[in-house]
Amino acid sequence: DAGVTQSPTHLIKTRGQHVTLRCSPISGHKSVSWYQQVLGQGPQFIFQYYEKEERGRGNFPDRFSARQFPNYSSELNVNALLLGDSALYLCASSYGTSAHYEQYFGPGTRLTVT
Amino acid sequence: GQSLEQPSEVTAVEGAIVQINCTYQTSGFYGLSWYQQHDGGAPTFLSYNALDGLEETGRFSSFLSRSDSYGYLLLQELQMKDSASYFCAVEDSWGKLQFGAGTQVVVTP
Repeated sequence: DAGVTQSPTHLIKTRGQHVTLRCSPISGHKSVSWYQQVLGQGPQFIFQYYEKEERGRGNFPDRFSARQFPNYSSELNVNALLLGDSALYLCASSYGTSAHYEQYFGPGTRLTVT
Repeated sequence: GQSLEQPSEVTAVEGAIVQINCTYQTSGFYGLSWYQQHDGGAPTFLSYNALDGLEETGRFSSFLSRSDSYGYLLLQELQMKDSASYFCAVEDSWGKLQFGAGTQVVVTP
């Protein structure tokens, strides 16, 4: 079975631009979460979606938004990019929304903002 | 607010035992998870403790004490491939995972 897939793998943008990151969960998983990982830090929670509804939001500005589609894939959108948005963006899928449902992480999208 | 504390780095030789401690402060707590991440790779799930006590999975064990807001990951019979970052993460009452800053484990020959 395919694992969690993310696209693109790498992305370079300039300040002020907009970016869309994509995630396809493991087949059968209905929950998708997004995390931002700055170099040397742990992943920081951005959003969680379950059954196409937002179930949780981390402490990120409104420039960050996301959605989940009927096939459970998800997009993360970031507007008005700042240098500080440079990070590895991780998507994780799980069957449900409790931590005892193991979260499977994708390889991430490395975003560089110049 | 919430916070997690874990050591930044631990170095040990092959075959040794390493314990990574994690203390947390959270307004709501459901469970403590541990993840492993190799350089350039994705985090992979190692274990989850919702109740007090020890969970054993092969060479890795994880412990939780809810009354002490404390847990640890025990790595036994260290191998070179265990060199990686290890993160503790708490699930809060909102169902989201909050990760610590990570512990870099360096295994030497």
